[in-house]
Amino acid sequence: AQSVTQPDIHITVSEGASLELRCNYSYGATPYLFWYVQSPGQGLQLLLKYFSGDTLVQGIKGFEAEFKRSQSSFNLRKPSVHWSDAAEYFCAVGYTTSGTYKYIFGTGTRLKVLA
Amino acid sequence: DAGVIQSPRHEVTEMGQEVTLRCKPISGHDYLFWYRQTMMRGLELLIYFNNNVPIDDSGMPEDRFSAKMPNASFSTLKIQPSEPRDSAVYFCASSPIANVLTFGAGSRLTVL
Repeated sequence: AQSVTQPDIHITVSEGASLELRCNYSYGATPYLFWYVQSPGQGLQLLLKYFSGDTLVQGIKGFEAEFKRSQSSFNLRKPSVHWSDAAEYFCAVGYTTSGTYKYIFGTGTRLKVLA
Repeated sequence: DAGVIQSPRHEVTEMGQEVTLRCKPISGHDYLFWYRQTMMRGLELLIYFNNNVPIDDSGMPEDRFSAKMPNASFSTLKIQPSEPRDSAVYFCASSPIANVLTFGAGSRLTVL
């Protein structure tokens, strides 16, 4: 079965430090790839997406992600974290199988930002 | 656009009671998804619709769960009878083309 792995359950960084959240997927072809952010008590908001083309994609709030086919990874990065970035981040994969669209989320990484 | 609207935001009920969660998708979005989020299992896709037709309900946990989409602007997720293990946050999301999802704020269900 296809899967999405976010190996880090919790990450703590200091405000102003750089950030990288890891995401690996299992799928034979290149799926659609997404990062979402969830603030407490809220729904998920799309940060960025990759469908094809340039493997470095820019998103909202200063986030970017790089698709690496050889590593089956789609890691999320931000050069300088702000306290407001504290939230839970979900990587997701979309693909089609047997005519049905599947959309799978990773287990999430909770980001804590120290002042 | 008001986004995806879910109601109620919070529901507390007793075991055995019927629960109905409601969702109004974004106008023009042909796809509607229902997800369940728990600490133990994360985000699970329960069912999704395309043009009001259920396409994949393989994630619906058991017969106690049912979902309908009688028209393009309304969907319900019903649990009957409810059990404590159904306690979770239920999200509805809609999409124009089944990839970029817009989520509602969720309905937090507590079954006592």
